[in-house]
Amino acid sequence: DGGITQSPKYLFRKEGQNVTLSCEQNLNHDAMYWYRQDPGQGLRLIYYSQIVNDFQKGDIAEGYSVSREKKESFPLTVTSAQKNPTAFYLCASSIDTWGEKLFFGSGTQLSVL
Amino acid sequence: DQQVKQNSPSLSVQEGRISILNCDYTNSMFDYFLWYKKYPAEGPTFLISISSIKDKNEDGRFTVFLNKSAKHLSLHIVPSQPGDSAVYFCAASASGNTGKLIFGQGTTLQVKP
Repeated sequence: DGGITQSPKYLFRKEGQNVTLSCEQNLNHDAMYWYRQDPGQGLRLIYYSQIVNDFQKGDIAEGYSVSREKKESFPLTVTSAQKNPTAFYLCASSIDTWGEKLFFGSGTQLSVL
Repeated sequence: DQQVKQNSPSLSVQEGRISILNCDYTNSMFDYFLWYKKYPAEGPTFLISISSIKDKNEDGRFTVFLNKSAKHLSLHIVPSQPGDSAVYFCAASASGNTGKLIFGQGTTLQVKP
């Protein structure tokens, strides 16, 4: 079955630690995205990538970094510079950038110890 | 600046009745609108969309209405079923711009048996 796989489902970060969230898709989509969801707020865009080896900052990129070395993979690193990392992180993809609709993974809940 | 607003955080309806979820937007450049449905600890899934050249789009029990002059759209679910209980996000994009999807805060719908 084609889809988007995010791992892990739950992740805990210690003070000063960088953590990486995995996102893999086998839909052959060109574009991939990372969103953050906080309670009572909409999904906010962190980073997005239109093609391999290229990515752009979204609305809340500070404290995060990404890479796009393969079409299928778009990992997100939450760095120690992100002072409020506790949130639900969602990865998505679309056939082309801002295509008709986004396909989402099942998310990663990140919490701070 | 919240460009897409869902002013009702929650809505409760009886099974079999109509559910109406509302969404307002401020950016007149938005020309494509989508609704996503999200269950707890899962990623959102696409539900229905509408282009600004239309004022109504229907798909089974789901109908989206767009009022461009009022910058308002609504999602009607008839008849509502307990399995419809979820968080509903509206999203908007402006194809002439970056086309970036902007999400509202979400409305939690509870359908009571």
